[in-house]
Amino acid sequence: QSALTQPASVSGSPGQSITISCTGTSSDVGGYNYVSWYQQHPGKAPKLMIYDVTNRPSGVSNRFSGSKSGNTASLTISGLQAEDEADYYCSSYTSSSTLVFGGGTKVTVL
Amino acid sequence: QVQLQESGPGLVKPSGTLSLTCAVSGGSISSSNWWSWVRQPPGKGLEWIGEIYHSGSTNYNPSLKSRVTISVDKSKNQFSLKLSSVTAADTAVYYCARRLGAYPPVYGMDVWGQGTTVTVSS
Repeated sequence: QSALTQPASVSGSPGQSITISCTGTSSDVGGYNYVSWYQQHPGKAPKLMIYDVTNRPSGVSNRFSGSKSGNTASLTISGLQAEDEADYYCSSYTSSSTLVFGGGTKVTVL
Repeated sequence: QVQLQESGPGLVKPSGTLSLTCAVSGGSISSSNWWSWVRQPPGKGLEWIGEIYHSGSTNYNPSLKSRVTISVDKSKNQFSLKLSSVTAADTAVYYCARRLGAYPPVYGMDVWGQGTTVTVSS
């Protein structure tokens, strides 16, 4: 299975909104509403931010939102804050009953 | 509050077998969740290794399937990973994690261990 495609980096100024894309195929992202997003700070374990495309776990800020169109899922961070600077990974269920991650996106707050 | 804790050798010789255990506390491994292993090579991204349900059902990453075994020990409330024929490319931080829901399925890993570093070297 091939890794999902994410931009290597995205940046924005405090208060702005940014969007991270995650492109797959009809066998993963496009075929199921099973995309999740993770935030990872250096040296820390990943943290679940979005599951099943649009759902936020309890305790995750509503500044984080997820969506999907066709084979591409997106994570939008609104009102960007310094603490949002981290690596972000998408993940999707696949037609082989497996999971696949994206390559990761480094978010920089300018 | 469910917590996960990985344990196992931090150094494995090439061609050997990597063995790790994930202890589940604050909850039951027999709950309606799948239990996963994810790894991250130094400076690289996340790679899903596989998952297990308390019934023993498993799903594995096709690229690792021939070398991976994930098992569950309900009596000890833990699950384990074995990766055989390791090479330097298997050097990584290994995480165990809980997937939110089994039936109906929910795809998101909401609880993670802190990770354990495994180095493959002679």
